Formats: sequence, C-alpha cells, structure tokens
Amino acid sequence: QVQLQESGPGLVKPSETLSLTCTVSGGSISSYYWSWIRQPPGKGLEWIGYIYYSGSTNYNPSLKSRVTISVDTSKNQFSLKLSSVTAADTAVYYCARSERGRITIFGVVIGAFDIWGQGTMVTVSS
Amino acid sequence: DIQMTQSPSSLSASVGDRVTITCRASQSISSYLNWYQQKPGKAPKLLIYAASSLQSGVPSRFSGSGSGTDFTLTISSLQPEDFATYYCQQSYSTLGTFGPGTKVDIK
Repeated sequence: QVQLQESGPGLVKPSETLSLTCTVSGGSISSYYWSWIRQPPGKGLEWIGYIYYSGSTNYNPSLKSRVTISVDTSKNQFSLKLSSVTAADTAVYYCARSERGRITIFGVVIGAFDIWGQGTMVTVSS
Repeated sequence: DIQMTQSPSSLSASVGDRVTITCRASQSISSYLNWYQQKPGKAPKLLIYAASSLQSGVPSRFSGSGSGTDFTLTISSLQPEDFATYYCQQSYSTLGTFGPGTKVDIK
C-alpha cells in the first residue's frame, strides 16, 4: 500500500526558503503525478504545484515565482522549495498523488488526489 | 481561473439524517469534480472522483451527482464518523481549485 510522508523543518524565518521532502513508500514514484498542497490554520486547501516522475512540472500561478518542485526517482522522493516566505506561508503542507487527467493546450491536468501524506506544519516566524 | 463555491458553509445534522452538500463551479467543468472529507488534524480523504465515482473503500452511503456547473454530495444516512468538513475540487483546469468547505457537525 502506497504511503506518503512529509519531512522538513517546522519553523522557517521570514525571507528564507521553506524546504520539504515527501517520501513515497510501498510503491514506485513512476507513472504518477505528485503534488504539494497547503492549508493555513483554520482555512481551506490550496494546490501549490505538481511534478511528474519524468521531471515536468506545473505550478499555481499565484506562487510560481517562488516555487520549485523537484523529484529524485532513485530515492522515491520529491521535494518542495518555497522562497522568500512570509507569515502568510504558515500552513500545514501536504504531499499527494494523482493520476493523469485531461490534456489541454496549457498542459496536463491532474486527476483527483487519491493518496495523501499526513501533513507537516510549517510556521514562518523570526 | 475557475472559482468553486459550496453551500451551505456549515450544517448541523443528526445520526441517520440524509445530508446534501452543493458545489458550484464558475464555468462548466463537465464531470471533473472530486469530493474530499477532512477530519480535524487529518489529511483530506478522497470520497468521490469524476463527479459520481465512489473511491475504493468508501462506504456506499456516500454518493455524488451533477455535471457542468452544479454538483451534489449526498450522505444517505449520516453516521457518527461522518462529522467532518467536506471539500469539492475541480480537476478540469490546470489550477485545480478547491471549494471553501462545508462543515458537518452534530445537532
């Protein structure tokens, strides 16, 4: 059974870079799309971006200038870097898996998020 | 961007009640609509994908319907473990927006 586990610092200083890793166990990272999703305390869900095992990515336009998602297939891991963080980036960060959905002129649209990590709380504070 | 709205934002219900939650998209999304359940301190769980397909392992009291812009999630007989927040999410566009959520609590 595929499981996802987020890891990384729980506290990041303002203006620094938030770095998280998601480890995929019980299955291969190949042939799926892997996303980062976040949820500020008491608020809703926001998709950050995805990466395909081949390395192709797609990011939320509102975060695109600050986000980098990368994959390491040899370790069955993918990672998130979010630069120049502020208090508004304080949230629970989840990693999740999707299959490929429809294809548009703008790129691949991923399907439903069928497997999620447990989430990791990241607080931005000095 | 496609905007998702949900109604109601919260509701109170009793065990055994039939519960219906509505999700509306700002433009047609065909059947590219998914529903999730989230309990406090836990990750969301996929219930319904493609508007009406039940995810494996999800009880049959959950059902989804709709297409285009209007969708519903129905719980036929509410159980104690169903008290949670429910989110819809569109997978029609590359920016897969979520609805704001509907909190279902005990009456």
